[in-house]
Amino acid sequence: NAGVMQNPRHLVRRRGQEARLRCSPMKGHSHVYWYRQLPEEGLKFMVYLQKENIIDESGMPKERFSAEFPKEGPSILRIQQVVRGDSAAYFCASSPTQGNTGNTIYFGEGSWLTVV
Amino acid sequence: EDQVTQSPEALRLQEGESSSLNCSYTVSGLRGLFWYRQDPGKGPEFLFTLYSAGEEKEKERLKATLTKKESFLHITAPKPEDSATYLCAVQFAYSGAGSYQLTFGKGTKLSVIP
Repeated sequence: NAGVMQNPRHLVRRRGQEARLRCSPMKGHSHVYWYRQLPEEGLKFMVYLQKENIIDESGMPKERFSAEFPKEGPSILRIQQVVRGDSAAYFCASSPTQGNTGNTIYFGEGSWLTVV
Repeated sequence: EDQVTQSPEALRLQEGESSSLNCSYTVSGLRGLFWYRQDPGKGPEFLFTLYSAGEEKEKERLKATLTKKESFLHITAPKPEDSATYLCAVQFAYSGAGSYQLTFGKGTKLSVIP
């Protein structure tokens, strides 16, 4: 299966701990996006990355959240000092071409973060 | 502020009973409109992309259409396995920051009863 791969699928963290979510894009895709789905809300854009570059982080919270997509390895979404409000499903998506061309992006199965 | 609104929030159909889901958007320029299906505990599964008014796409029992202000997802003779949440997303034709994001509606939860 050459789909978008995310891990872990489920993650439980205590308040104040760090959460790291990983995403490997579809084969042949070099553009990665992170979206968050809060309970009873729609999917919200967080960040768009290409290899070694953050292109658009207009949807990222200003503090505690960071993302990277290194030259080698998966993209990482990092949440420091988690709070209960960070509990959500985090989806990674990828596309073969630049993200503002109207081309389709494909989503992974998500990582469900629960903060206790 | 550009928005995407889906209706109804929930729809319950008998097997075989055709219907339509609506996605309306305020527009400052549309680059693409996307339909996805999402099952509980899963990620959005791509269905269709539409780019211009008058365009139609079809796949099995589903047909998506687009006008200047809204899109419809028509479901013909649905089966129980069509039960899912259907999401509409729009990429608006901004420039600069924000131009890469999809703006999602909250979805229509479809239940098809045998």
